[in-house]
Amino acid sequence: GEDVEQSLFLSVREGDSSVINCTYTDSSSTYLYWYKQEPGAGLQLLTYIFSNMDMKQDQRLTVLLNKKDKHLSLRIADTQTGDSAIYFCAEYGSGNTGKLIFGQGTTLQVKP
Amino acid sequence: GAVVSQHPSRVICKSGTSVKIECRSLDFQATTMFWYRQFPKQSLMLMATSNEGSKATYEQGVEKDKFLINHASLTLSTLTVTSAHPEDSSFYICSATGGGTYNEQFFGPGTRLTVL
Repeated sequence: GEDVEQSLFLSVREGDSSVINCTYTDSSSTYLYWYKQEPGAGLQLLTYIFSNMDMKQDQRLTVLLNKKDKHLSLRIADTQTGDSAIYFCAEYGSGNTGKLIFGQGTTLQVKP
Repeated sequence: GAVVSQHPSRVICKSGTSVKIECRSLDFQATTMFWYRQFPKQSLMLMATSNEGSKATYEQGVEKDKFLINHASLTLSTLTVTSAHPEDSSFYICSATGGGTYNEQFFGPGTRLTVL
């Protein structure tokens, strides 16, 4: 079935780069998304990438997409303590149901 | 733009009572709204998909008589947890599509339900 997987935890020091990885199984999704969830809050769309792109850069965020390996990554440059949150990758499942399939979420801890 | 609100943000109720949670798209018409449940340190679990004017589509294992969804307008969907029990305590999040360019879902801030 459709599945999106992420590592559960990442710890970095302030100022370092963070790389959060995600693998997915359904290759039909037009867009893939990264969402950020701060404690006790809903999800905020961070960025997206169109499926025919390999890379997208948006200020401190770089998204890399390897369609052959079905691998998506989010790189945060110059990570700040305010970046501490849970990051979810997501894609739409097959069949045009409109349902987003989420990974388990990666908790990013930024140490001062 | 594309803001989704939820009300209330936090609710505590007694076992056996019903609780209604509202989800509103503030500046766009939502073609579809979704209701999720999130347990601590876990991902989101889709409960149901809701289209305006039609019955919600529930995910397998979600009791439709327990979690009543009404989508009366293009900007409002409600989730009513009927006869709530402590095991219904959770974080409930709604989302909506229709306000974006990249088919993205916009999420509400969530509602923390605690059933005593």
